[in-house]
Amino acid sequence: AQSVTQPDIHITVSEGASLELRCNYSYGATPYLFWYVQSPGQGLQLLLKYFSGDTLVQGIKGFEAEFKRSQSSFNLRKPSVHWSDAAEYFCAVGAVDYKLSFGAGTTVTVRA
Amino acid sequence: SQTIHQWPATLVQPVGSPLSLECTVEGTSNPNLYWYRQAAGRGLQLLFYSVGIGQISSEVPQNLSASRPQDRQFILSSKKLLLSDSGFYLCAWSAGPEAFFGQGTRLTVV
Repeated sequence: AQSVTQPDIHITVSEGASLELRCNYSYGATPYLFWYVQSPGQGLQLLLKYFSGDTLVQGIKGFEAEFKRSQSSFNLRKPSVHWSDAAEYFCAVGAVDYKLSFGAGTTVTVRA
Repeated sequence: SQTIHQWPATLVQPVGSPLSLECTVEGTSNPNLYWYRQAAGRGLQLLFYSVGIGQISSEVPQNLSASRPQDRQFILSSKKLLLSDSGFYLCAWSAGPEAFFGQGTRLTVV
């Protein structure tokens, strides 16, 4: 079975600074990889996904992520954070049965 | 386009009372349907998934059950709620690897 680890529970970043959220997965084959964002009390919105091909994927809201097979990682990045990026971020891995396994999430706080 | 509706948005129920949360999907046929639970400060745990009418798979033993009476309707139920059933419940659908989520139901059992 697949699993996901998000090592950082909480990250605080200044507005305008860069952001990187870490994600490590465990899966025997090439996984489907996702980053979702959740605002308080809301559902999950897909930021970006990786299925195959180019290992650097672009998403919405200026986010990007890089798949590194050798490190079993799929880290999320944004060059310049906006106050509206404060939210909880979830990394997820999917297998051929399309069931997703989620990490515990990283809460991002943006300070002015 | 496809949309997913989940209700109610919030619910406060006494211990021992029944539960019924409903989720419907529009704009697609024969979707895979999922119920997830998110406990405070934790990730999402898959509770149930369904690949067709009447076909339900349970991922974890618990006090809850799920049903899929129609192609695009997914219901989460309990006969008697426990305090530990409190949490944020999310319904999702997929037609491939990518899942799309509803807005969630905040359940508080008191």
